[in-house]
Amino acid sequence: EAGVAQSPRYKIIEKRQSVAFWCNPISGHATLYWYQQILGQGPKLLIQFQNNGVVDDSQLPKDRFSAERLKGVDSTLKIQPAKLEDSAVYLCASSPWADRGLQETQYFGPGTRLLVL
Amino acid sequence: GQQLNQSPQSMFIQEGEDVSMNCTSSSIFNTWLWYKQEPGEGPVLLIALYKAGELTSNGRLTAQFGITRKDSFLNISASIPSDVGIYFCAGRIGRNAGNMLTFGGGTRLMVKP
Repeated sequence: EAGVAQSPRYKIIEKRQSVAFWCNPISGHATLYWYQQILGQGPKLLIQFQNNGVVDDSQLPKDRFSAERLKGVDSTLKIQPAKLEDSAVYLCASSPWADRGLQETQYFGPGTRLLVL
Repeated sequence: GQQLNQSPQSMFIQEGEDVSMNCTSSSIFNTWLWYKQEPGEGPVLLIALYKAGELTSNGRLTAQFGITRKDSFLNISASIPSDVGIYFCAGRIGRNAGNMLTFGGGTRLMVKP
């Protein structure tokens, strides 16, 4: 079974530029998550989708960050304009379902490393 | 928001030694998870805990869900070089797998052969 795919793996941009990240979850997984992991810290959830609907975006800085999952499969996360403090690894994760009991099945992709200069 | 305090921040041990790390919170969590992250990769789930007092093993790893539901512990016995990585605890307040996870800051483990 193929894992969660993310691209690009690395990105270097200047502040105030825009950037987009792409995630393709494991086939059949209904739930998709975007996390931000700043160096030396644990991942922080930015947004959670169930199919093509947003479940939780309470920690997404909506003035500059946006995400979509139009067809309920792959997803893009965009930052516009980028700030220095956005330098981090952006992790995508997926799971088969989000509302059936306690089973933990959240699989992470390798992440996109963003450096904002 | 909720915060998880993980300690120690880093450990440098000799191969064969046992390792202990813990995670504490001021809030009650109903699920505790332990992940391992290696360089250039995403976190991988090691152990999931769902009941206060629960003790669960996965090979040489053993984790416990604290009685107060505000802490959790991970032990690694007889460490080997491939145990190197960053270990994260994560907690969930809700009982539903779809509820938000909060991650600790990680414990970086280094093993000297």
